[in-house]
Amino acid sequence: NAGVTQTPKFRILKIGQSMTLQCTQDMNHNYMYWYRQDPGMGLKLIYYSVGAGITDKGEVPNGYNVSRSTTEDFPLRLELAAPSQTSVYFCASRVPGGGAGEQYFGPGTRLTVT
Amino acid sequence: DQQVKQNSPSLSVQEGRISILNCDYTNSMFDYFLWYKKYPAEGPTFLISISSIKDKNEDGRFTVFLNKSAKHLSLHIVPSQPGDSAVYFCAAGFNTGGFKTIFGAGTRLFVKA
Repeated sequence: NAGVTQTPKFRILKIGQSMTLQCTQDMNHNYMYWYRQDPGMGLKLIYYSVGAGITDKGEVPNGYNVSRSTTEDFPLRLELAAPSQTSVYFCASRVPGGGAGEQYFGPGTRLTVT
Repeated sequence: DQQVKQNSPSLSVQEGRISILNCDYTNSMFDYFLWYKKYPAEGPTFLISISSIKDKNEDGRFTVFLNKSAKHLSLHIVPSQPGDSAVYFCAAGFNTGGFKTIFGAGTRLFVKA
């Protein structure tokens, strides 16, 4: 299993440009998450999904959109990039069910908006 | 509103000694707590967890202690090894609402050989 994969690894955007961060998992996990990590900060939840066709906002959703058309894929869209969106973005997935189920993280996408 | 706080940005420990990483939380409704470890240029990886109904969980060199009355948990690593040098995130989550997890800011652990 490849686990959770993210593309691209790095990207530089100009203000106002748009892009899609890709995330794919091959573990058949229903739950998927997008986080951003700013320097010296913890991970902040942007959006999450509990299954195909179902998404919901996290703590910091403004400026982002998501879709979940398949169990495997959970892309994150930035429509009008702003310098405040410079961050490292992590995608994660977990198995359904209660309890302290661990999340499996991708390697991250480092995004710079200038 | 920081619901999960790690007040020590860094910690330095000698190889072979105990590392103690601390975490405080404010929401008494959390159902479970987790520790993740993160190396540079990689995603976090799960280390150990504890249910809110327990006060201790042990896995090899790693033990997590939960003090609910103080809203405090700690991760003990014994003995510490140079390969343990990483950023450690404390996290807390709920069994409802998509199992959302709230992360602390992390503590960078340096284990000196």
